[in-house]
Amino acid sequence: GAVVSQHPSWVICKSGTSVKIECRSLDFQATTMFWYRQFPKQSLMLMATSNEGSKATYEQGVEKDKFLINHASLTLSTLTVTSAHPEDSSFYICSARALGRGDTDTQYFGPGTRLTVL
Amino acid sequence: GQNIDQPTEMTATEGAIVQINCTYQTSGFNGLFWYQQHAGEAPTFLSYNVLDGLEEKGRFSSFLSRSKGYSYLLLKELQMKDSASYLCAFMDSNYQLIWGAGTKLIIKP
Repeated sequence: GAVVSQHPSWVICKSGTSVKIECRSLDFQATTMFWYRQFPKQSLMLMATSNEGSKATYEQGVEKDKFLINHASLTLSTLTVTSAHPEDSSFYICSARALGRGDTDTQYFGPGTRLTVL
Repeated sequence: GQNIDQPTEMTATEGAIVQINCTYQTSGFNGLFWYQQHAGEAPTFLSYNVLDGLEEKGRFSSFLSRSKGYSYLLLKELQMKDSASYLCAFMDSNYQLIWGAGTKLIIKP
């Protein structure tokens, strides 16, 4: 199967600090990775789409200078929440779209990272 | 270990009823989610079950049996717009989401 991991699983940080979240495709190469925020029992909100080697495309209303995305390789994308504030507390989920597989339309989702900003 | 399984693809007829099954194994459980995802869009929340039984929400219902590690999503009066992928995911004891691969539902007129 296609496995996507995220690290860390949960993080607590002080207001004003930066937090980096990693998303890795473990057994496949991902042309595209997506970053979502989720609030309890609500739909996933797409924040940005990243393609390996190019700049991420951010959804309207998402601050690109606050949520830095780096897609350095076909198996790793990182989301850095800069100068985090309590309102950034959320569940961040990444997904990856496979390269070279018959299921190239399928997104494989990570387990999520729970961020709490104090 | 943990795992979750759902069918890869299903086909149904407009106006009919379809049931999408999801089975899972886990030692810790904090609820099961169903999402609908249209191609190129973010998943939309459909339901959350944490207790056994059936929850109905309009044309969509979701059922959970914790003892059997089983859930299903029931879609009634199918419409063409229901063509989408349906994702089930359970939340484990660490509040991490474990996702199924999704069931692609094809609705035919």
